[in-house]
Amino acid sequence: DTAVSQTPKYLVTQMGNDKSIKCEQNLGHDTMYWYKQDSKKFLKIMFSYNNKELIINETVPNRFSPKSPDKAHLNLHINSLELGDSAVYFCASSQDGGSYEQYFGPGTRLTVT
Amino acid sequence: ILNVEQSPQSLHVQEGDSTNFTCSFPSSNFYALHWYRWETAKSPEALFVMTLNGDEKKKGRISATLNTKEGYSYLYIKGSQPEDSATYLCASENTNAGKSTFGDGTTLTVKP
Repeated sequence: DTAVSQTPKYLVTQMGNDKSIKCEQNLGHDTMYWYKQDSKKFLKIMFSYNNKELIINETVPNRFSPKSPDKAHLNLHINSLELGDSAVYFCASSQDGGSYEQYFGPGTRLTVT
Repeated sequence: ILNVEQSPQSLHVQEGDSTNFTCSFPSSNFYALHWYRWETAKSPEALFVMTLNGDEKKKGRISATLNTKEGYSYLYIKGSQPEDSATYLCASENTNAGKSTFGDGTTLTVKP
């Protein structure tokens, strides 16, 4: 079984649309994260949740809204998609907040046309 | 804002060579340092997490050291193999919230 899974793997959509990316972990971890890999291939943290509570909220447009229905799931909803949102989005989880290994999902490649 | 830097940006070695690369990070308010291995078309895979000054960790032919006072970590690969070819990322945390700032990686290519 995949430890951290994301759906969909690829997402192609038009500007202005609203889309969601789902993430699930079956590791029993308390903390989950969303990262964006930008055009220069850098990984930057967007959000993290610990046991359904928002812990980290970086400077991200408010068109991006994470939702954690339970500690095994952290979904990312994006409103009014823009061309600059095109990127690979990675979900990750760790046992707890700091100094624990983070386990990454396979990534979702979002292309906005 | 943390600034994590890795060097070199890329490295080409022959099979059997030993190699090492550097991650530098701000030493103030240090909490943890992570190393990841990232193969093309895959997702980052955790190698090590280190928290204490002087920490040394080892996994097979790969090892890492940590100097929190001067703000650097070294990753060593002994006897490189073609399957070691990947991008090696380090990430530094300065709080216990798990907020990692990533370097831009060192891309290693091992030629048979």
